[in-house]
Amino acid sequence: NAGVMQNPRHLVRRRGQEARLRCSPMKGHSHVYWYRQLPEEGLKFMVYLQKENIIDESGMPKERFSAEFPKEGPSILRIQQVVRGDSAAYFCASSPRAFTGSNTIYFGEGSWLTVV
Amino acid sequence: DAKTTQPNSMESNEEEPVHLPCNHSTISGTDYIHWYRQLPSQGPEYVIHGLTSNVNNRMASLAIAEDRKSSTLILHRATLRDAAVYYCILWGDSGGSNYKLTFGKGTLLTVNP
Repeated sequence: NAGVMQNPRHLVRRRGQEARLRCSPMKGHSHVYWYRQLPEEGLKFMVYLQKENIIDESGMPKERFSAEFPKEGPSILRIQQVVRGDSAAYFCASSPRAFTGSNTIYFGEGSWLTVV
Repeated sequence: DAKTTQPNSMESNEEEPVHLPCNHSTISGTDYIHWYRQLPSQGPEYVIHGLTSNVNNRMASLAIAEDRKSSTLILHRATLRDAAVYYCILWGDSGGSNYKLTFGKGTLLTVNP
């Protein structure tokens, strides 16, 4: 079974450009979560989506960041007008149903964004 | 939120067993104990989880104390590929916002050849 697939693995953007990160969940998983890990820091939740719906975006900065999970295709995390502080590893995770303690979520290998 | 306490670092030799402890004295009755690990430049990888009984899978074993206030992740024969940060996390089964996660600092495991 293919795991959670993220691309690109590494992305370099100049300040002011846009970054688009893609995530294909595991087969059969309809719940997607995005996290950010800044250098030397822990994972921080950004957004939780189900197909065509944003369930919880309380961890996402109010400006420049957006996420979607369309009916067809991967989930996209979009960062407009990137700044140096956006440089981080962005991880996507998925689960087959709403995440409770009895099940678990599976992470992708991450997308490393560097803003120069 | 129930919290966990893990040693900052541990060291092991290749092909020897490793016991990674986790204390969670404030665990509630519906909290599951989850273990993840993160290798350098990789995403967190699910290792194992359990509620009350000991659990085994192809990666590791999870030994849970009878009072559930502590648990131990057991790697039966450490390899160099097991060198990673190991996280012990408690997640409740009542839904809510488990997905917001709290990984903490974890235990950095070093495996010597």
